Amino acid sequence: LAKTTQPISMDSYEGQEVNITCSHNNIATNDYITWYQQFPSQGPRFIIQGYKTKVTNEVASLFIPADRKSSTLSLPRVSLSDTAVYYCLVGDRGTNTGNQFYFGTGTSLTVIP
Amino acid sequence: ETGVTQTPRHLVMGMTNKKSLKCEQHLGHNAMYWYKQSAKKPLELMFVYSLEERVENNSVPSRFSPECPNSSHLFLHLHTLQPEDSALYLCASSQGALRGFETQYFGPGTRLLVL
Repeated sequence: LAKTTQPISMDSYEGQEVNITCSHNNIATNDYITWYQQFPSQGPRFIIQGYKTKVTNEVASLFIPADRKSSTLSLPRVSLSDTAVYYCLVGDRGTNTGNQFYFGTGTSLTVIP
Repeated sequence: ETGVTQTPRHLVMGMTNKKSLKCEQHLGHNAMYWYKQSAKKPLELMFVYSLEERVENNSVPSRFSPECPNSSHLFLHLHTLQPEDSALYLCASSQGALRGFETQYFGPGTRLLVL
């Protein structure tokens, strides 16, 4: 099962770029990598998804090396409102492995003024 | 606003009470989910419904009873709960249920306190 490993917490100053890395050594060929953001007492919110190389949207970038055993979520110029828990999920495309529902403990990012 | 609503937002109940949580999605999705999030713990998947049929039940105690009357509505019926069931209960939906690339859209959650 392609479970994920992330740092438990990170701190960053406002305006800096933050990179959160997720390890998924057992990722399968058909697995996608998805990142969610969760604020306290709210449901998680989709940020970005990728399969390989690099994906960028208006919120973040996702870097995936060729072996796909890890991925890095990059948040440019963070602000205080980016303080949240960030989850990395790896999802099997076709069968009900349950991995796509395994949120893990996530990475708690604290942005400091 | 994610297109998924949950009511009530807060609920306090005694161990002998019966209550229901309601979730509604306005996204035209075919799959709906219940998650439990206890303090300082990861989200735990409870139930998955696809096209109104339950496709996953992660060893959840029978005091939690889900109901999915149609693809837009999902209920979680609660009875004889324990204090350790106090948590944030989250509903989510996605276009499909068993495909790992599906984005899940979450509701705001119901904060449940069992006394």
